[in-house]
Amino acid sequence: GAVVSQHPSWVICKSGTSVKIECRSLDFQATTMFWYRQFPKQSLMLMATSNEGSKATYEQGVEKDKFLINHASLTLSTLTVTSAHPEDSSFYICSWGYEQYFGPGTRLTVT
Amino acid sequence: AQRVTQPEKLLSVFKGAPVELKCNYSYSGSPELFWYVQYSRQRLQLLLRHISRESIKGFTADLNKGETSFHLKKPFAQEEDSAMYYCALRYQGAQKLVFGQGTRLTINP
Repeated sequence: GAVVSQHPSWVICKSGTSVKIECRSLDFQATTMFWYRQFPKQSLMLMATSNEGSKATYEQGVEKDKFLINHASLTLSTLTVTSAHPEDSSFYICSWGYEQYFGPGTRLTVT
Repeated sequence: AQRVTQPEKLLSVFKGAPVELKCNYSYSGSPELFWYVQYSRQRLQLLLRHISRESIKGFTADLNKGETSFHLKKPFAQEEDSAMYYCALRYQGAQKLVFGQGTRLTINP
């Protein structure tokens, strides 16, 4: 299957700061990618669908000004959590393409 | 709204026994159904999809439109099958997937 990487794998930040998570597809290109959030022992929750060159479509209840998505190429997307708070602590996972190849996830801990 | 229900959060069976993970969906159109698996400390990966009608790692799943179900089955469970399993649906014209809550399968030796 296709390879998707995320960086960093784990990040700890202080409340009020911003954190950027990078997601790359390493061996294929795709127009569409997705960002998910997963709380402990819960299922994946789709945050947004992003098409390269277009504004992301956010799911209901997800603040677009808080979770900034930049999807500048067919292989790279970033998610920036702005003014992070402890309740934003979660596992953030990206996936690429119609087939939805998933990244390994990024664990965000906000102190 | 489209919804995927996995009624069992936890399922435990003995090695060699048959296993069935249940998945029901609510959608009036023609869905695409998928099963994803997440082994311990690994990323989520596609196990199988209904349109392929294939068997992967001994698992099969048949779409039953009458019962709106897509149960995952394996006749003889192996210890390496222990993992988290998610059923997912893509409705017509959509890009995104709707995931169920997941079932943690444990195969006992």
